[in-house]
Amino acid sequence: GNSVTQMEGPVTLSEEAFLTINCTYTATGYPSLFWYVQYPGEGLQLLLKATKADDKGSNKGFEATYRKETTSFHLEKGSVQVSDSAVYFCALTPLPSMEYGNKLVFGAGTILRVKS
Amino acid sequence: GAVVSQHPSWVICKSGTSVKIECRSLDFQATTMFWYRQFPKQSLMLMATSNEGSKATYEQGVEKDKFLINHASLTLSTLTVTSAHPEDSSFYICSGIGFRRETQYFGPGTRLLVL
Repeated sequence: GNSVTQMEGPVTLSEEAFLTINCTYTATGYPSLFWYVQYPGEGLQLLLKATKADDKGSNKGFEATYRKETTSFHLEKGSVQVSDSAVYFCALTPLPSMEYGNKLVFGAGTILRVKS
Repeated sequence: GAVVSQHPSWVICKSGTSVKIECRSLDFQATTMFWYRQFPKQSLMLMATSNEGSKATYEQGVEKDKFLINHASLTLSTLTVTSAHPEDSSFYICSGIGFRRETQYFGPGTRLLVL
């Protein structure tokens, strides 16, 4: 089956610290991988994505590399800010996407708290 | 990125009444829309998938007669919670995907509280 496993939170960091949120997946075929961010009281926003092995998605200082050999898509940021405090969801869309109806399979989410 | 809106952003209703939530894609045509439910501090649970002009496909365990979904146009889908009960209180989020079918774009969510 298809599943996503994220590290449990909450993750609490000081401003300017290095961030890693681990994400591993199980999927049939070759999924597309995503990180979504949810700020308090809001819906999800796409943060970054990667559609094939060794692709690196990046946005707003966040990066994640699609590692097929380790079935991972860890999220990293070199220097976090208080404004990065949010819930981060790792997700995948199994391929072929049309067969699976473009459904997203989400991990449980990781709460990030950044202190000033 | 593409924009999806939801209305209302929050609603309080009495037990037994019905509530309709609208989901609109503002700058793209959403061939498929998804409805999710999110409980506090939990992940999103997919409720149903709707394609424009077709009946929605519900996930296992989701009551289709309770959660009515209509996707009448390429820019509008509605979710109606019928005969709402307190256990239906939740955060409902929709998303849409366009013709290129690459990325789901999410609405800001609707918080429903049933008293």
